[in-house]
Amino acid sequence: DTEVTQTPKHLVMGMTNKKSLKCEQHMGHRAMYWYKQKAKKPPELMFVYSYEKLSINESVPSRFSPECPNSSLLNLHLHALQPEDSALYLCASSLQPGPNTGELFFGEGSRLTVL
Amino acid sequence: QQQVKQSPQSLIVQKGGISIINCAYENTAFDYFPWYQQFPGKGPALLIAIRPDVSEKKEGRFTISFNKSAKQFSLHIMDSQPGDSATYFCAASSQAGTALIFGKGTTLSVSS
Repeated sequence: DTEVTQTPKHLVMGMTNKKSLKCEQHMGHRAMYWYKQKAKKPPELMFVYSYEKLSINESVPSRFSPECPNSSLLNLHLHALQPEDSALYLCASSLQPGPNTGELFFGEGSRLTVL
Repeated sequence: QQQVKQSPQSLIVQKGGISIINCAYENTAFDYFPWYQQFPGKGPALLIAIRPDVSEKKEGRFTISFNKSAKQFSLHIMDSQPGDSATYFCAASSQAGTALIFGKGTTLSVSS
């Protein structure tokens, strides 16, 4: 199994809603990532979990709250988002932490629209 | 210094032609240079990667050429096919870095 699975594929939420994005991998990878991607732009790193601990937070607003319940799961909790937060949210994993240790496996993303 | 500059922004190639995408960097500590391919509605997927101890790496129709002295690397797609139409991102990272640095992307269209 070489997949990173993300749910939901699409999400529409109001600015007062609370929702969560979920990500799952069963490759035994020890690093998991959240990226944000706007149309026609490269992915932007948001958070990195290494061995289930948050290791990098790229100055992301607190309305985004990551959680890593176990080595296979990664969540992104969303609350009081702004319309400019509308984007494709990508989850990724790698066998080992570190940006040059090898391949990042990306999921297909969750397309978020904030009204 | 952390940037990776990618060109062109978009590229149209005839079927069977060669597609060439170029990237340049300044940080000499970068030691891992992957290329990611992204189709519409999908996440990026690793296409091919190179480390600076070699000047070229080939996988099927895809070749990375690496010029350490010029701090440049490029992706060549031989015999380009309509199925190659996608956005391509070069990237770079260093052992001491915290993240993969992506170029801005190149949208490739292969016309049949």
